[in-house]
Amino acid sequence: NAGVMQNPRHLVRRRGQEARLRCSPMKGHSHVYWYRQLPEEGLKFMVYLQKENIIDESGMPKERFSAEFPKEGPSILRIQQVVRGDSAAYFCASSPPPGSGELFFGEGSRLTVL
Amino acid sequence: RKEVEQDPGPFNVPEGATVAFNCTYSNSASQSFFWYRQDCRKEPKLLMSVYSSGNEDGRFTAQLNRASQYISLLIRDSKLSDSATYLCVVTPYNFNKFYFGSGTKLNVKP
Repeated sequence: NAGVMQNPRHLVRRRGQEARLRCSPMKGHSHVYWYRQLPEEGLKFMVYLQKENIIDESGMPKERFSAEFPKEGPSILRIQQVVRGDSAAYFCASSPPPGSGELFFGEGSRLTVL
Repeated sequence: RKEVEQDPGPFNVPEGATVAFNCTYSNSASQSFFWYRQDCRKEPKLLMSVYSSGNEDGRFTAQLNRASQYISLLIRDSKLSDSATYLCVVTPYNFNKFYFGSGTKLNVKP
């Protein structure tokens, strides 16, 4: 499968636990975006990364959330001490070098916080 | 103020109808514009880019009005398979972030 791969597809956590969401971009893509989507709402930009660099994290909550895209391996969105309000679908998208305008999305990771 | 605003709908139309969606954006410096489609509980997928001169792809026509900061999507001869949420997307020149509208829901009925 040459598409954007996200895992896990579904994740259940209790309040206070940590959630780690992984995203492998399409082959040849070095740009990754993370979005959050609450039920019946639009996608909210969280962070834009290139390999080993955070380019724009203006959409990330100041606390508990972090993201990385190491030289080797997938991009990871980490949520510490989850709260019920973190329950959402988290979508990762990748793109070739900026300018193409097309984002290729993964199927999303659905986080449920009990 | 939201970066991108759309009428949430839903638009309920019969097969064969023509339907139009509108979208406004707040940042006059925005450079690139797109329509994405999202099916229920699925990931968004690019429907079409929107060019200044307007562009057409089969039954779909997109228009951009920079002066009014307004984007439209026209769907002719609606099919049942067009039922989905249509997302208006705007990005600055450096593609650092893509701003998504909340989406307009379309239901095409037999």
